[in-house]
Amino acid sequence: KNEVEQSPQNLTAQEGEFITINCSYSVGISALHWLQQHPGGGIVSLFMLSSGKKKHGRLIATINIQEKHSSLHITASHPRDSAVYICAVLDYGGSQGNLIFGKGTKLSVKP
Amino acid sequence: AAGVIQSPRHLIKEKRETATLKCYPIPRHDTVYWYQQGPGQDPQFLISFYEKMQSDKGSIPDRFSAQQFSDYHSELNMSSLELGDSALYFCASSLQGAQNIQYFGAGTRLSVL
Repeated sequence: KNEVEQSPQNLTAQEGEFITINCSYSVGISALHWLQQHPGGGIVSLFMLSSGKKKHGRLIATINIQEKHSSLHITASHPRDSAVYICAVLDYGGSQGNLIFGKGTKLSVKP
Repeated sequence: AAGVIQSPRHLIKEKRETATLKCYPIPRHDTVYWYQQGPGQDPQFLISFYEKMQSDKGSIPDRFSAQQFSDYHSELNMSSLELGDSALYFCASSLQGAQNIQYFGAGTRLSVL
């Protein structure tokens, strides 16, 4: 079983829809990242969370430490949001900061 | 603001050749991480360095080696390249003590023919 599970694996939405991507993890963590990877590969860090909720523009990320679960929400989705969204956790026992990655959610937003 | 710089962005090599990938961290960042992402795969941690010393090791093959220099840039050296080494290699940097926050480079795409 993977230590970081994301759902759904693939997601197709119409422009303007509200989107939710979920991440569950099985290890104790000190932080969780949401990353965005566009075709061509470059990774952009969207959020780093250790508790609560963060908002940046149309993106909202939440985390529930007790339930070991995080969600990434995109409001008013746009075709330019099409990308792979990756959840990555910093294992609490991982002393040097190496991240454990989920397999990603491929989002396609249609105009 | 300056970001993590990786070079080259693309590299094509043949089997059994060697390759060197470079990573220049954000200024004043002292910790560098290397990740490998194979086609259709999630990234896997390879190795990390803090203050020029290896700090953690993941699934890095013995054919690969890496080091961090006094200016904190890092190089990943890959020898006896195999077809399966074709991947996107990411570097990330952070400040020790703020290691939760890793900043990623754009990656080097290595193709082994």
